[in-house]
Amino acid sequence: QLVLTQSPSASASLGASVKLTCTLSSGHTTYVIAWHQQQPEKGPRYLMKVNSDGSHRKGDGIPDRFSGSSSGAERYLTISSLQSEDEADYYCQTWGAGINWVFGGGTKLTVL
Amino acid sequence: EVQLLESGGGLVQPGGSLRLSCAASGFTFSSYAMSWVRQAPGKGLEWVSAISDSGFRTYYADSVKGRFTISRDNSKNTLYLQVNNLRVEDTAVYYCAKDENTGSCFDYWGQGTLVTVSS
Repeated sequence: QLVLTQSPSASASLGASVKLTCTLSSGHTTYVIAWHQQQPEKGPRYLMKVNSDGSHRKGDGIPDRFSGSSSGAERYLTISSLQSEDEADYYCQTWGAGINWVFGGGTKLTVL
Repeated sequence: EVQLLESGGGLVQPGGSLRLSCAASGFTFSSYAMSWVRQAPGKGLEWVSAISDSGFRTYYADSVKGRFTISRDNSKNTLYLQVNNLRVEDTAVYYCAKDENTGSCFDYWGQGTLVTVSS
């Protein structure tokens, strides 16, 4: 069974950088994932796809401050020059035949 | 500009039914698969159902199989979710989402419609 694991919370200071992690379960470590941002009281917003080789492709209008990378079973979302509006929940998602679409539990990012 | 606008949510008693709609604009609706995703209060995202671009193939999460039906009207650029035999645990905001490509991630989301199941 494919499971995406995310830390429930993270925090970083205004203007700093933060790296969020999404871990793919054993046997599924080559899967592509997507990152979505959900600001308080809003619908989710697609940020980017991240491949197993670390390459990534961002969605429309996503600032350069957001980037993706990979290492083994881990997929990362790095946000640099943190701004107050980056305080949000961040979800990773993957998909595939037989597994349909799966989300991680989400990471709540606090900007200090 | 891609827009997805959900409607049809509301308060319903256990065992009741609703029909959710998602009006799409800003892209060629008939060329993309679509999904419904829900979020219970204070919880994370849960994929519910998906439909192919033509409407011929449908997919459901085990938690809703047999109770929910996804459909689409490509002439009206509208996605639907018929939700029957509702349970308290179906209480959630329901979002529609556009597939980036067939069987891929979601690249656009709506703002959601709230379904509350309570007696």
